Amino acid sequence: QVQLQESGPGLVKPSGTLSLTCTVSGGSISTYYWSWIRQPPGKGLEWIGYIYYSGSTNYNPSLKSRVTISVDTSKNQFSLRLNSVTAADTAVYYCARHKGNGGAVDYWGQGTLVTVSS
Amino acid sequence: EIVLTQSPGTLSLSPGERATLSCRASQSVSSSYLAWYQQKPGQAPRLLIYGASSRATGIPDRFSGSGSGTDFTLTISRLEPEDFAVYYCQQYGNSPLTFGQGTKVEIK
Repeated sequence: QVQLQESGPGLVKPSGTLSLTCTVSGGSISTYYWSWIRQPPGKGLEWIGYIYYSGSTNYNPSLKSRVTISVDTSKNQFSLRLNSVTAADTAVYYCARHKGNGGAVDYWGQGTLVTVSS
Repeated sequence: EIVLTQSPGTLSLSPGERATLSCRASQSVSSSYLAWYQQKPGQAPRLLIYGASSRATGIPDRFSGSGSGTDFTLTISRLEPEDFAVYYCQQYGNSPLTFGQGTKVEIK
């Protein structure tokens, strides 16, 4: 059974950088697409971007200038960096796996709340 | 960007009733790359339907999806107590991937 676990600081200062890592267990990170998706408190879901195990990426244009997603296949991990954060970036951040070749999301992490505040 | 509009915003029904949720896209969704997710409070979303009509592993057959092009429907044939939740549609055929705003199915 594939499991995903997000880790990283729960509090980030405004104008700082949000950094999260997703550790994949129970399966290989290879041959799949991996996404970061966020959900502000009480609101809907927003796709941030995805990475293929080979390192190719695709980002949401609304966040593209501030986002970097990277992968470390040796550790079965992928990571998110979001620069110049504001209170609007406060959200639960989920890491997720796509079915097959970039399909629907079939596995999700439990999510981690990141609050942007001084 | 494909905008997905879900209706209604809230559906108030009783256990045993049929639920019909709608998802309309601002442009045609490629190859019916449309998914439905269920989310309960404090939990991550769970995949119910992909490819517009294929049930994900372990999903009961009371959940069914239909539609193509710009109009899609999720039907829950008979609501069980555990089905009261928020449901999201998502298209993954065009970048950026987008979600609808959600439909809350609440107990009447």
